[in-house]
Amino acid sequence: AQSVTQPDIHITVSEGASLELRCNYSYGATPYLFWYVQSPGQGLQLLLKYFSGDTLVQGIKGFEAEFKRSQSSFNLRKPSVHWSDAAEYFCAVTGTYKYIFGTGTRLKVLA
Amino acid sequence: KAGVTQTPRYLIKTRGQQVTLSCSPISGHRSVSWYQQTPGQGLQFLFEYFSETQRNKGNFPGRFSGRQFSNSRSEMNVSTLELGDSALYLCASSTRTSGAYNEQFFGPGTRLTVL
Repeated sequence: AQSVTQPDIHITVSEGASLELRCNYSYGATPYLFWYVQSPGQGLQLLLKYFSGDTLVQGIKGFEAEFKRSQSSFNLRKPSVHWSDAAEYFCAVTGTYKYIFGTGTRLKVLA
Repeated sequence: KAGVTQTPRYLIKTRGQQVTLSCSPISGHRSVSWYQQTPGQGLQFLFEYFSETQRNKGNFPGRFSGRQFSNSRSEMNVSTLELGDSALYLCASSTRTSGAYNEQFFGPGTRLTVL
């Protein structure tokens, strides 16, 4: 069955620290992978996407993600977190089947 | 290019009433998907419309319905509202239907509160 797992429901980091949000997927076809960010009460904003090619993709706001087919993972990283990064982050996958979202990881940033 | 717009942004209704939410996709986008987001359930897929036809449907009761017009604008209707329908309803548009490697663009959502 197709699924997306974000194992960390909440993550807290200090401002300036590095960040890695985990995403694992199960998909029966070649996946397209996305990371979205949602600020409180807002819609989802696309951070980055992977369709093919270079497995390390760069996104907006200094985020990057690495696609690892052997591990079925698409982890999101940022070298230095800013207080404004506090939000909820969703991993999603699509392809020949419908869009599937993970349950989200809520990021808290300590000053 | 204007983004996805949703109206109204906030709505308060009472149990038993019905509500209609509207979504205008990005110009040129023919697919509109609706999601319900609640703290306990996360993002739940409601349905998708492409070229005025419902293409996919999630596991929601028949009280939830939708339609799409020839200009790709979509409406979602919830009849006989229940307290549990309180949620953020998100609309997303894309150029192609789901199952076709498409990228979705989301609107800001409509916050529905049922009292």
